[in-house]
Amino acid sequence: DADVTQTPRNRITKTGKRIMLECSQTKGHDRMYWYRQDPGLGLRLIYYSFDVKDINKGEISDGYSVSRQAQAKFSLSLESAIPNQTALYFCATSAKGQGAFQPQHFGDGTRLSIL
Amino acid sequence: GENVEQHPSTLSVQEGDSAVIKCTYSDSASNYFPWYKQELGKRPQLIIDIRSNVGEKKDQRIAVTLNKTAKHFSLHITETQPEDSAVYFCAACRVLTGGGNKLTFGTGTQLKVEL
Repeated sequence: DADVTQTPRNRITKTGKRIMLECSQTKGHDRMYWYRQDPGLGLRLIYYSFDVKDINKGEISDGYSVSRQAQAKFSLSLESAIPNQTALYFCATSAKGQGAFQPQHFGDGTRLSIL
Repeated sequence: GENVEQHPSTLSVQEGDSAVIKCTYSDSASNYFPWYKQELGKRPQLIIDIRSNVGEKKDQRIAVTLNKTAKHFSLHITETQPEDSAVYFCAACRVLTGGGNKLTFGTGTQLKVEL
């Protein structure tokens, strides 16, 4: 789905730098999520948001922060990057659904390398 | 929290054979079980899902079974083709108050279909 767009697609940076990954969507979904993918570990949830200004921690939120100031945008920040944050990061969205599963739709990912 | 185990981590089959991937989950509150396929360098894409009140679901060559009592669910691919080669992720989902859902992923199965 080209309508979940992540920028940048690739980034190489140094330890200690502040980095922001952007996610924007044109699907009109309320729910947005950030995951990281590491080989052999699957996808792990970092943060999620149900609406503008709503922020919830996932299972691995330490070292990360997020901002949801518009329905269509959800940004992930690494305040002071460290090498073990090197990973593939995915943004996902899902529609609002009362009591029903709404599929999550993923962006193309951002490959982040921290030296 | 939820824990999802997935086996095997790698699976190699001959074209035309069947492939089976198995997952177990720990949280009895999980009520939705999607499967994602991730081709090399691409985003995860939903291929099939099943609700906890259904024991089996089929879509052409793929099927998913669920044993809620044993907390097991499996993906079955019949008549495998080279384009089925990818990493497959199972996930367990708990629908949250407010209508969003929280996915916990398995660690993935690398399926290779050989000619």
